[in-house]
Amino acid sequence: EPEVTQTPSHQVTQMGQEVILRCVPISNHLYFYWYRQILGQKVEFLVSFYNNEISEKSEIFDDQFSVERPDGSNFTLKIRSTKLEDSAMYFCAAGGGGSTNEKLFFGSGTQLSVL
Amino acid sequence: AQSVTQLGSHVSVSEGALVLLRCNYSSSVPPYLFWYVQYPNQGLQLLLKYTTGATLVKGINGFEAEFKKSETSFHLTKPSAHMSDAAEYFCAVSQNTGGFKTIFGAGTRLFVKA
Repeated sequence: EPEVTQTPSHQVTQMGQEVILRCVPISNHLYFYWYRQILGQKVEFLVSFYNNEISEKSEIFDDQFSVERPDGSNFTLKIRSTKLEDSAMYFCAAGGGGSTNEKLFFGSGTQLSVL
Repeated sequence: AQSVTQLGSHVSVSEGALVLLRCNYSSSVPPYLFWYVQYPNQGLQLLLKYTTGATLVKGINGFEAEFKKSETSFHLTKPSAHMSDAAEYFCAVSQNTGGFKTIFGAGTRLFVKA
């Protein structure tokens, strides 16, 4: 089964610092997503990315967040000035392509801890 | 808009007993429905999915789910629980609107007692 790779698996940062979470999605997929899961809570949609632009974003995805896929391979989520409440597991996902069009493939996540 | 409701944040069963995790959805168009499993400190793994066709779908590890349109339900079952089934289970819904943004339920943690 194809994989979505996320790095790092754990990231610790100080409040106010910028962080970049990285994902290498499946190359022949068309849509890319970021989700987050605060400890003990549900998995929440952040943003979807298609054709090199944001196709949809949630209310969580404010001006502190940005995404890009600069080289057609890596898909990154940047948080400009982290807050304590940004501490969560962040999942990258890819979908919309190949023979499993409706299925999302999730990475194993990056645990972000903001101190 | 789509939404998913999972009844019961925690379910506890004995090993060998029936597992039933409940999920109801809301969707304005024919939905795609999924169950994902999350083991401790791991990512999300797809258990099974319903898109079209047969309403009873079988997944990995002996799980199955039945899509009931009249009840807007997609409950997950397994005839006999195993200790290794202990995990968090998420029901999810998406639709083909040019992408497959997936909306997750709040999750149900399954405990399996020896």
